[in-house]
Amino acid sequence: DAGITQSPRHKVTETGTPVTLRCHQTENHRYMYWYRQDPGHGLRLIHYSYGVKDTDKGEVSDGYSVSRSKTEDFLLTLESATSSQTSVYFCAIRRDTATNYGYTFGSGTRLTVV
Amino acid sequence: DAKTTQPPSMDCAEGRAANLPCNHSTISGNEYVYWYRQIHSQGPQYIIHGLKNNETNEMASLIITEDRKSSTLILPHATLRDTAVYYCIVLTGGSYIPTFGRGTSLIVHP
Repeated sequence: DAGITQSPRHKVTETGTPVTLRCHQTENHRYMYWYRQDPGHGLRLIHYSYGVKDTDKGEVSDGYSVSRSKTEDFLLTLESATSSQTSVYFCAIRRDTATNYGYTFGSGTRLTVV
Repeated sequence: DAKTTQPPSMDCAEGRAANLPCNHSTISGNEYVYWYRQIHSQGPQYIIHGLKNNETNEMASLIITEDRKSSTLILPHATLRDTAVYYCIVLTGGSYIPTFGRGTSLIVHP
């Protein structure tokens, strides 16, 4: 939707293994975000990026790292996956026009850590 | 960004209008009111936004009070597919870390 795709859509991994989720946009937006969503917690911000190689932490960043080497790609890495990181992960981009500062979300990645 | 308050849940009969309220009493003059919805397991989807005038699009209408301290999202003829969580947030050009809160869970029943 609106030029933002997440991959993979589903992944099952074992505890202790590294996992990388990818968010790709085609519209050259500066700001990109990674959220996780768990029952009873709503959307929680993990990390965000405001440009190539410019990233910052959100409220639940422990255990996650991100990278943005190109404008179009924002990668989320779980260095050593734990069961508590089982969640649905959403990527988002921020629009930046004179009258619209809204956000567009990807379809999500459902990650299960066993 | 101003904080918003929404009821945790609402229900509506299919075919009737669904009116979802949002309180944003600390909103500032340059903050827009945005509405999103999230259907189960999907990413949040943009619905509509406005600054101070009422707005309408193919999905919904947005009514903002004159003092801008509250707004109402109206789904004129709710269908079962409108069952979702609806989020109201306020944003400006300087809003870079959005907070979506818990939203309102709307259930449309037959």
